[in-house]
Amino acid sequence: SQTIHQWPATLVQPVGSPLSLECTVEGTSNPNLYWYRQAAGRGLQLLFYSVGIGQISSEVPQNLSASRPQDRQFILSSKKLLLSDSGFYLCAWSSLANEKLFFGSGTQLSVL
Amino acid sequence: GENVGLHLPTLSVQEGDNSIINCAYSNSASDYFIWYKQESGKGPQFIIDIRSNMDKRQGQRVTVLLNKTVKHLSLQIAATQPGDSAVYFCAENIKGLFKTIFGAGTRLFVKA
Repeated sequence: SQTIHQWPATLVQPVGSPLSLECTVEGTSNPNLYWYRQAAGRGLQLLFYSVGIGQISSEVPQNLSASRPQDRQFILSSKKLLLSDSGFYLCAWSSLANEKLFFGSGTQLSVL
Repeated sequence: GENVGLHLPTLSVQEGDNSIINCAYSNSASDYFIWYKQESGKGPQFIIDIRSNMDKRQGQRVTVLLNKTVKHLSLQIAATQPGDSAVYFCAENIKGLFKTIFGAGTRLFVKA
């Protein structure tokens, strides 16, 4: 069966520090991968998606970047965090473009 | 667009009653619709989906209704239980696009 791993679960970082969140998927090949952000008590905002190794599409201009160095690995990064980067970050995968998403357990990021 | 800037509406129901959660989607080209359930501190979890060639689909205790004429989607939960308390998101996929657009979400409270 397929599983998705996302870590860390919580992270507290000072403003201006770098960020690296990692997500890996097991049990499937060539998944579509996604990074979403969710502010407290609000909806999900798509940040990045990837349909293959090295292929990254950005949905909103921001202080973040994404990379996909391996088929089942998706990384969210920042060189210098801003206060506004705080939120709940969710990684997800789907088998095809028009299929349901399977989400990781999320990372609660607090930038202080 | 994505409803990420809105605070969540709330629905409160008595245990054992039926719940109906409504959603208006935005794009006439959307052809695949999904309902997700999100418990506090966790990633969203798939509940049920429906394609645009259908107007009703039933699962275990849940039913999704689709009205393409008015771009409306609803989720019906029969005999609501305390474990159903969560935030529910509708989502739409536009054919050919590699992303899912989420609605604002509805918080469901089940009173014992």
